[in-house]
Amino acid sequence: DVKVTQSSRYLVKRTGEKVFLECVQDMDHENMFWYRQDPGLGLRLIYFSYDVKMKEKGDIPEGYSVSREKKERFSLILESASTNQTSMYLCASSTSGTGAGELFFGEGSRLTVL
Amino acid sequence: AQSVTQLGSHVSVSEGALVLLRCNYSSSVPPYLFWYVQYPNQGLQLLLKYTTGATLVKGINGFEAEFKKSETSFHLTKPSAHMSDAAEYFCAVSDTSGTYKYIFGTGTRLKVLA
Repeated sequence: DVKVTQSSRYLVKRTGEKVFLECVQDMDHENMFWYRQDPGLGLRLIYFSYDVKMKEKGDIPEGYSVSREKKERFSLILESASTNQTSMYLCASSTSGTGAGELFFGEGSRLTVL
Repeated sequence: AQSVTQLGSHVSVSEGALVLLRCNYSSSVPPYLFWYVQYPNQGLQLLLKYTTGATLVKGINGFEAEFKKSETSFHLTKPSAHMSDAAEYFCAVSDTSGTYKYIFGTGTRLKVLA
């Protein structure tokens, strides 16, 4: 089974702190994604990566950056956390380059910024 | 730009009753279509998807959906609800040009009443 693992299920950080959210997938998928999930807003794409060291902005990249140094790992970075970044963050991976592929999700990282 | 509309943020059905969750999309060309389910404190998992071919798609746990191009719809149904179906359901589309972007609806929370 494909497994996408997010390192932290729950985090509490203070405003201004630097936050790292780590995601690892074990099925050699080319594509990896970071989404933010908020009630009533569904999932919104922050960044995605279709290859090592490649990244593309999604719909809401402001305040975030990403890193993909190895194929299996995709990190989301909040350089200076703010309270409006309190949210559920979901990492996903897929293997298809055509858009027909299934997204495999991690269990999510719930971040609270105080 | 593509978009997805899910009618009804909350739906309640009695156990054994028909489940109908609505999804409409806007796209200049038929996209790929997906339904995902999210159980409490978990990530999303694929229920079913439509890419090409037969417009009635069967998924896991007895769910199915029908792609209707003329109505730009992809409604999710299950003949008989079970308590274990209580979850949040997301409709999603991706375009067929391989831009790696999946657009999600805002979700429908299904409650099953005993």
